[in-house]
Amino acid sequence: SAVISQKPSRDICQRGTSLTIQCQVDSQVTMMFWYRQQPGQSLTLIATANQGSEATYESGFVIDKFPISRPNLTFSTLTVSNMSPEDSSIYLCSVDTGGPPYEQYFGPGTRLTVT
Amino acid sequence: AQSVTQPDIHITVSEGASLELRCNYSYGATPYLFWYVQSPGQGLQLLLKYFSGDTLVQGIKGFEAEFKRSQSSFNLRKPSVHWSDAAEYFCAVERGSTLGRLYFGRGTQLTVWP
Repeated sequence: SAVISQKPSRDICQRGTSLTIQCQVDSQVTMMFWYRQQPGQSLTLIATANQGSEATYESGFVIDKFPISRPNLTFSTLTVSNMSPEDSSIYLCSVDTGGPPYEQYFGPGTRLTVT
Repeated sequence: AQSVTQPDIHITVSEGASLELRCNYSYGATPYLFWYVQSPGQGLQLLLKYFSGDTLVQGIKGFEAEFKRSQSSFNLRKPSVHWSDAAEYFCAVERGSTLGRLYFGRGTQLTVWP
């Protein structure tokens, strides 16, 4: 299994500002993923982050708004830029084992409120 | 494109009663299927997964799910619900060739009456 921590756990930010969310894993993983869970909604994949390469973004998400870094095999950051109230969500980091038993683990999430 | 449908937004059952949460998927091939649970203030926890083989899969906390290709379904079941099972349940399908890229259903909120 993998233990994932995220910082901050929650934050309240003003519109127009940016917030960087950190994700730390207790083991080396190839793929890390960032999801968004808007209030009362399901989880939506934002992007996939590989170490040493540009992140791959899903439809509807762009690098200018959600820049991602992946400097090593245990760490990643997601920045939510130029925030608006619509960005208020829980942001979750996840990793998969990359091999058997093919399981995916999620961090506790970062609850972001934009005022 | 893959999609996941959870037709029930909210289900209420009495403690001790049986439970079935529905999940239908749309995908051209046999997908990888998952059920996750999210308790209030908690992160997502994997209940069970289906990749191939036996279509009835056992998970944690007494849950099981059955993959039915003919119905494109992967319903979650539990024979006797406990009050601690109250939570949000998400069905998910792995999207594309990269493991970990999951497409989630909208979730089913389970309320358990004592």
